Amino acid sequence: TQLLEQSPQFLSIQEGENLTVYCNSSSVFSSLQWYRQEPGEGPVLLVTVVTGGEVKKLKRLTFQFGDARKDSSLHITAAQPGDTGLYLCAGSLLIKAAGNKLTFGGGTRVLVKP
Amino acid sequence: DVKVTQSSRYLVKRTGEKVFLECVQDMDHENMFWYRQDPGLGLRLIYFSYDVKMKEKGDIPEGYSVSREKKERFSLILESASTNQTSMYLCASRQGDPYEQYFGPGTRLTVT
Repeated sequence: TQLLEQSPQFLSIQEGENLTVYCNSSSVFSSLQWYRQEPGEGPVLLVTVVTGGEVKKLKRLTFQFGDARKDSSLHITAAQPGDTGLYLCAGSLLIKAAGNKLTFGGGTRVLVKP
Repeated sequence: DVKVTQSSRYLVKRTGEKVFLECVQDMDHENMFWYRQDPGLGLRLIYFSYDVKMKEKGDIPEGYSVSREKKERFSLILESASTNQTSMYLCASRQGDPYEQYFGPGTRLTVT
C-alpha cells in the first residue's frame, strides 16, 4: 500500500471537459508538490502547497491542500490536449525520519482527446 | 530558473559493464536524489545525498552506488549492469522542506 494514493490511475476525456485528480494519505505532510511528466521527459514542477486549506491557481489548474494536510486535489478546467501527461503528487512527511525525501504517489495518466 | 542536467538522454550498455550516470544542478541545493521509474512501479528512490561526501540509501539501493565529491554533482554508478536495471533514471535536487524539488530530463538506460 502506497503512503500517497492517487486516483484515478487513468483518465481519458474530451477537450473542453473538466477533470479532478486526487491525492490521499492517512499521514500528515508539511508540504505537497504536483508535477506533470510527458513521455520520455523528467517531471516538471507545477506547484507547491504548504498551508492546510491552501488553494493555488495556475491558469486553468487549481490545486488544493486539505485542511489537515493529508490530501490534495488538482482540478483542470476546460482541459486541452496540451494537458495530456502523467500527473504526480509528492509530499514531505511530517516526521524527522523522512528528512528531505519526498514521498510520491503512483501517478494519474491523463489523456485529453481533441 | 533551477537547472538539473543529466549527462545522457539515452544510453545502451552491455550486461556486466560499469555504468556512470552524472547529474549536475546549478542552484547550490544541499540535497540530491537518484530515482528510477518503471511502468506500474512508479518512482523509486535509489540513493540520496544531503551534503558533499554524504549519502543515504533509498528504497532500492542494491546494485547501485553513488558519489558526491562536489555539491553540484551527484553520480550514480552501476558496478556491473544487469538487464533488470533497464529503466528511466531521474536525478533531482532540492534545498530542503518545504522547498521545491526539481528533476533533470532523465536518462533512458537499456542494458542488453
